[in-house]
Amino acid sequence: DTGVSQDPRHKITKRGQNVTFRCDPISEHNRLYWYRQTLGQGPEFLTYFQNEAQLEKSRLLSDRFSAERPKGSFSTLEIQRTEQGDSAMYLCASSFDSGLAGVSYEQYFGPGTRLTVT
Amino acid sequence: AQRVTQPEKLLSVFKGAPVELKCNYSYSGSPELFWYVQYSRQRLQLLLRHISRESIKGFTADLNKGETSFHLKKPFAQEEDSAMYYCALRLYGGSQGNLIFGKGTKLSVKP
Repeated sequence: DTGVSQDPRHKITKRGQNVTFRCDPISEHNRLYWYRQTLGQGPEFLTYFQNEAQLEKSRLLSDRFSAERPKGSFSTLEIQRTEQGDSAMYLCASSFDSGLAGVSYEQYFGPGTRLTVT
Repeated sequence: AQRVTQPEKLLSVFKGAPVELKCNYSYSGSPELFWYVQYSRQRLQLLLRHISRESIKGFTADLNKGETSFHLKKPFAQEEDSAMYYCALRLYGGSQGNLIFGKGTKLSVKP
């Protein structure tokens, strides 16, 4: 296992087009997170999954954004009708959560997908 | 609302000099604090977390709840420490687990 992988690494699209990104987490990890990072900012939380269930969505995640994790393994993030403001690095992270209260586990990040909307 | 502030966008020091990267947070409950590092052309990775109370690559960070700070320190900076450093907060024991990041500080260590 080489860690969290993301595909594609770079995507250039025209405004109004739809794009889809894929994240493959570390195999035994049950939690998967999506973050967005714009220039000069730290990563901002978008949404996360516990297995296949999407448990939280940030208000940053507009109606044009949708994320899935159909079998509790890989996840996809789709952006419909892209806008120039969607240009950013989209980061995926995964971790294992045992469910024990007060125990936290490291989030492992992928290399990111850089989206440019022209 | 929870917030993480890193007041310095860029910190430049000479090799062998002490370095301190500042991080302040706002959260009324019990936080978990982390430092993440991103070296050039590499992915974001965990450097250290306050609950571990460990020193990684010579870096240490102490959680000061009174000052709501979690500054990262190293007594003698090395050129290989040059990277982007992000302070992050997580609600302790929170079910969500998502991290709240600061804007980051770019550390440049000159020879």
